[in-house]
Order: sequence, then C-alpha cells, then structure tokens
Amino acid sequence: AQSVSQHNHHVILSEAASLELGCNYSYGGTVNLFWYVQYPGQHLQLLLKYFSGDPLVKGIKGFEAEFIKSKFSFNLRKPSVQWSDTAEYFCAVNAPGTYKYIFGTGTRLKVLA
Amino acid sequence: NAGVTQTPKFQVLKTGQSMTLQCAQDMNHEYMSWYRQDPGMGLRLIHYSVGAGITDQGEVPNGYNVSRSTTEDFPLRLLSAAPSQTSVYFCASSWTSGVQETQYFGPGTRLLVL
Repeated sequence: AQSVSQHNHHVILSEAASLELGCNYSYGGTVNLFWYVQYPGQHLQLLLKYFSGDPLVKGIKGFEAEFIKSKFSFNLRKPSVQWSDTAEYFCAVNAPGTYKYIFGTGTRLKVLA
Repeated sequence: NAGVTQTPKFQVLKTGQSMTLQCAQDMNHEYMSWYRQDPGMGLRLIHYSVGAGITDQGEVPNGYNVSRSTTEDFPLRLLSAAPSQTSVYFCASSWTSGVQETQYFGPGTRLLVL
C-alpha cells in the first residue's frame, strides 16, 4: 500500500533561513507527487507538482522540490523563508490514473519575524 | 468561476444526528473527493467519484455515504454522527483525463459532534 512520511512535524525558523522539508513515499511504481500548503484558516493550495521530466520542480512563492527516485523522496526547499510562509505543508502522492491520493501527516512551519 | 464551494462552514451535531455536507464545483471536473483532516494525521480520503453515478471508497469510508447524481455536486452524508467524526472536512475536484491531475480544494467544513 502507498504511504507518505513527513518526518518533521514542527519546524521553527527565523526569517531568511533556508528551509528543507522531508517527504518520503512508499510505492514501487510510477507516481505523481505534490506539495500543498495550508495557511492558517485557509484551504489547501497547490505549491508544486511532479509528474515526469526534470526532477527539480519549481513552484509558486519561490518553493522548489527535487524528486530523487532512488531515495523515494520529494523534499521541499526554499532558500530564504519569510514570515508569511508560516503554514502547514503537506506532501501527497498518487499513482497516475488511480484517483486515490495519499497525504502525509503534514509539517507545521513557523517563521519568526 | 467560484471553484469548489462547501456548505456549511461550521456545524455542531449531537451524537446520533444525521446531516449532509454539501460540495459543488463549477469547473466541470469529473473527479471529486472528500477528505477529513485530523491533527497529526494529515488528510485521509473518505470517498471519491470519477463521474456522475460512479463512487468508490477511500481510506476511511465507514460512517459516511456519498452519491453523485450530477457532475457539479458531491454531497457527503453522515448517517448517525459520532464524536469520532469531529473533524474538518475538505472536498476536492480535478480532471481525470491525462496525467496532469491537480486537485482543487474547497474551504472546508468544521464539524463538531458532541
């Protein structure tokens, strides 16, 4: 069965610090990979997605993620975080055409001004 | 486009009561789904639908029913509410054709079962 692990449950950073959030998935076949962000009191929004091609994916608001197939990982990165990046971040995976999305448990990021 | 809309935004129920959470989308998406979000557990798929008249179970379907009579609407029914169903419920929709499947989420319904 598919599963997604986000090992960092809570992360606290100061503004301008670099960010890397881990995401590992368990699935042997081809997968689509997603990062979603949920700002306080709001619904989930797509940050970026990987379907195929270049394993380094750039998303909105300066975020990027790298798909490393050999490590079953899809880590999210941002070189310099801002206070407005305070949110909860979810990694998700699905097998193309299966319609069942598996989400990780989320990472709460707090950025100190 | 309004995107994905959900009603109500907040609801309090007593144990044993029934209710329907409404979800609608105006993007002509074939795929719609319901998730519940609980602290420390992320989002878990309850039910999903790949088109009118077609539904299937997700990861945590017990205690919930769905139907899909139109492309636009995908209501979630709680038959007999239990405190364990206290959660935030999100509806999502997407295209099903091709591989570029990105889900769009609604604003959520916060449910408290006493």
